[in-house]
Amino acid sequence: QITLKESGPTLVKPTQTLTLTCTFSGFSLTTNGVGVGWIRQPPGKALEWLALIYWNDDKRYSPSLKNRITITKDTSKNRVVLTMTNMDPVDTATYFCAHRQPTYDLDYWGQGTLVTVSS
Amino acid sequence: DIQMTQSPSSLSASVGDRVTITCRASQSISSYLNWYQQKPGKAPKLLIYATSSLQSGVPSRFSGSGSGTDFTLIISSLQPEDFATYYCQQSYSTPGTFGQGTKLEIK
Repeated sequence: QITLKESGPTLVKPTQTLTLTCTFSGFSLTTNGVGVGWIRQPPGKALEWLALIYWNDDKRYSPSLKNRITITKDTSKNRVVLTMTNMDPVDTATYFCAHRQPTYDLDYWGQGTLVTVSS
Repeated sequence: DIQMTQSPSSLSASVGDRVTITCRASQSISSYLNWYQQKPGKAPKLLIYATSSLQSGVPSRFSGSGSGTDFTLIISSLQPEDFATYYCQQSYSTPGTFGQGTKLEIK
């Protein structure tokens, strides 16, 4: 059974750096074709794809955020970490991590964590 | 980035209705198109992947079709639990962009 769970601060100040951790179970991030992605959703708005890390450590980022985000993995601890610098109130959103299966879709999602950016 | 455009943005329908939601990509994405259902306060749920493959456990009243740039999600007979927001997503290339969503409401 695949599960994922996001953790991190619920409130950050403008200009601070956000670090979110996705802790997962039920799969290995060393399996060919597997990945973990981050997606966010501002309140009342649509989903926005942020980043993806693959089993082979290939990393892909949203071009609009590429200069601000970093994704890393720790396969021994079954964790994926997303770091986003220079946070702004427009970054207020629920952040989800998700399992990417070899058929290219996101089949399991974490419950999401709401991050508010405010002074 | 590949842009994904869904229509309509919102839709009112009744239980038992047949509903069609469309998704158009700004360039060809072959069959790399997924559909998700999201209910308020919940994470998205994968319904269909690779245009027409039904995710395990998803009722057969959901179906998908299309290729290239134009895709369709059909719900053959709406059930009360189907009222939600639906998103398409392309997985042809990164970033794996989502459509803006279609909110399906009870008439």
